[in-house]
Amino acid sequence: GESVGLHLPTLSVQEGDNSIINCAYSNSASDYFIWYKQESGKGPQFIIDIRSNMDKRQGQRVTVLLNKTVKHLSLQIAATQPGDSAVYFCAEIGWGAQKLVFGQGTRLTINP
Amino acid sequence: DSGVTQTPKHLITATGQRVTLRCSPRSGDLSVYWYQQSLDQGLQFLIQYYNGEERAKGNILERFSAQQFPDLHSELNLSSLELGDSALYFCASSGGRLNTEAFFGQGTRLTVV
Repeated sequence: GESVGLHLPTLSVQEGDNSIINCAYSNSASDYFIWYKQESGKGPQFIIDIRSNMDKRQGQRVTVLLNKTVKHLSLQIAATQPGDSAVYFCAEIGWGAQKLVFGQGTRLTINP
Repeated sequence: DSGVTQTPKHLITATGQRVTLRCSPRSGDLSVYWYQQSLDQGLQFLIQYYNGEERAKGNILERFSAQQFPDLHSELNLSSLELGDSALYFCASSGGRLNTEAFFGQGTRLTVV
């Protein structure tokens, strides 16, 4: 069945450093991959997405990399700030499947 | 503010009871998704509606049901509640049948005692 998993449940980085959050997926038919950020007490917030025919996409301070060969997705956050502390979820959606499947989540903690 | 409104924010009820969670999507969004999030867990997809019709179903229990009304708001009904149903229930909306940028509400925290 479909599943999206994360390599690490927690990640601590120093403020100002770059963060890399990884995700593995199993459904090779997935068409889109999305990263969400969930702060404490809030709903998930869209960060960036990437289509399966791309291998890299950049946003503001974030970059998503997609390696379809090994079914791996990563989110890179440049110059992490205290406000980046949150749980990050990767999610995938397959064309026609409609449902957005979320992974377990990685808790990112920023150390001052 | 995502534009998605969920009510109530908190709900405490007893086992065996039935509750209704409500979601108002962003203005103009046709798709509504429901998710369940248990403590320190990921988001489990329950069900999706598009313009009033059920589009996709996830691991939704038979005790749970949902619908989307003509005005596009949606309700999630949970019946014969069990302690294990205690969780955060999120609603999300998006503009199309397949839109990756789904906007989430603040969630309803359900506690079953």
